[in-house]
Amino acid sequence: DQQVKQNSPSLSVQEGRISILNCDYTNSMFDYFLWYKKYPAEGPTFLISISSIKDKNEDGRFTVFLNKSAKHLSLHIVPSQPGDSAVYFCAATVSSNTGKLIFGQGTTLQVKP
Amino acid sequence: GAGVSQSPSNKVTEKGKDVELRCDPISGHTALYWYRQSLGQGLEFLIYFQGNSAPDKSGLPSDRFSAERTGGSVSTLTIQRTQQEDSAVYLCASEGRGRETQYFGPGTRLLVL
Repeated sequence: DQQVKQNSPSLSVQEGRISILNCDYTNSMFDYFLWYKKYPAEGPTFLISISSIKDKNEDGRFTVFLNKSAKHLSLHIVPSQPGDSAVYFCAATVSSNTGKLIFGQGTTLQVKP
Repeated sequence: GAGVSQSPSNKVTEKGKDVELRCDPISGHTALYWYRQSLGQGLEFLIYFQGNSAPDKSGLPSDRFSAERTGGSVSTLTIQRTQQEDSAVYLCASEGRGRETQYFGPGTRLLVL
């Protein structure tokens, strides 16, 4: 039972354009969502998060949007840079619980110069 | 300011052997998590420690898997009688008291032949 899904295994974008990564979830108890970025042979690094009481959170070039009714979130990167090329994982948690993260399968982003 | 460290970085073992994987969390972080990432999959939660106790072991896939944490710091994940399906990257993450975000180590790549 995949509670967090990233349906696009890969995405290719031209440098300077917008990258949009999508994530869907099924568990309505999730109240905190995160995006992690992972380079090969490294652990995931935290990128940005959003609480379920918000619908948008912005940090520099990165913006996360949350649509609770659709159980959908997205990460926008604008403008995209070649250094953004990595695997992006969406994760969700129930903050009153143990804090364990439930991850999607990841989306590999390639930003072409 | 050292991050989360894990050892060994790579481990190749024969089916049936026992392995021990080590995690050194960020100093002062009370929460520690183990996850694993199988090929082409997202990260899968294994176990959560708060201090030296493990209130959530729900992700351990079988009784061949066990983990302990001593002194509220170092944690060891032990896999007994390894099987080929145990081959994965095992990732450790730690989190401070504020439950802000989880910081991941680089992982241990385990290959069971």
